[in-house]
Amino acid sequence: GIQVEQSPPDLILQEGANSTLRCNFSDSVNNLQWFHQNPWGQLINLFYIPSGTKQNGRLSATTVATERYSLLYISSSQTTDSGVYFCAVVGSSNTGKLIFGQGTTLQVKP
Amino acid sequence: EPEVTQTPSHQVTQMGQEVILRCVPISNHLYFYWYRQILGQKVEFLVSFYNNEISEKSEIFDDQFSVERPDGSNFTLKIRSTKLEDSAMYFCASSRRTSGMENTFGSGTRLTVV
Repeated sequence: GIQVEQSPPDLILQEGANSTLRCNFSDSVNNLQWFHQNPWGQLINLFYIPSGTKQNGRLSATTVATERYSLLYISSSQTTDSGVYFCAVVGSSNTGKLIFGQGTTLQVKP
Repeated sequence: EPEVTQTPSHQVTQMGQEVILRCVPISNHLYFYWYRQILGQKVEFLVSFYNNEISEKSEIFDDQFSVERPDGSNFTLKIRSTKLEDSAMYFCASSRRTSGMENTFGSGTRLTVV
């Protein structure tokens, strides 16, 4: 099945810094979503981005489907950005299930 | 904005007991999913459901698990005889299509088996 690899596994930033999280996937996809898991365990959908670029405030994401990767950019990070960021994909040949990466754990220090 | 609603948010149960986790998907969505996340690990697919039947299930989804949509709005996950290793966060999700459409997740049910 499709493999999803996220890097880095852990990231520590000072408040105000910028960061880039990467998601590589091993096959073509019909769907790619970025999630933020908050300290209460909730999965917050950040972007639905199977291709192209989107921006939402301090966050933006780019997916280059032909090269099988996606990037999540966080600018001017805040302590509330801390948590785990997951990339998840739906492969082109399955029934819609999302395959999740292992996540990037981000800690933003004040 | 439409939401997927899950109840309860937390449940503690004794080993061997049956539990039912409940979800109300978004009303015009047709595809429904359950996922599981053991503490500190990634989110894993359990089962997908469409047109009142299971369309795909993972190896985790053994005979102890079942799903149903009893009344056209609720979507439930039942674990017949819970084990300690069933302790996890369980997420319900729904979508209008299998592809080209984002999946909307509920807030999760944290199940603790003691």
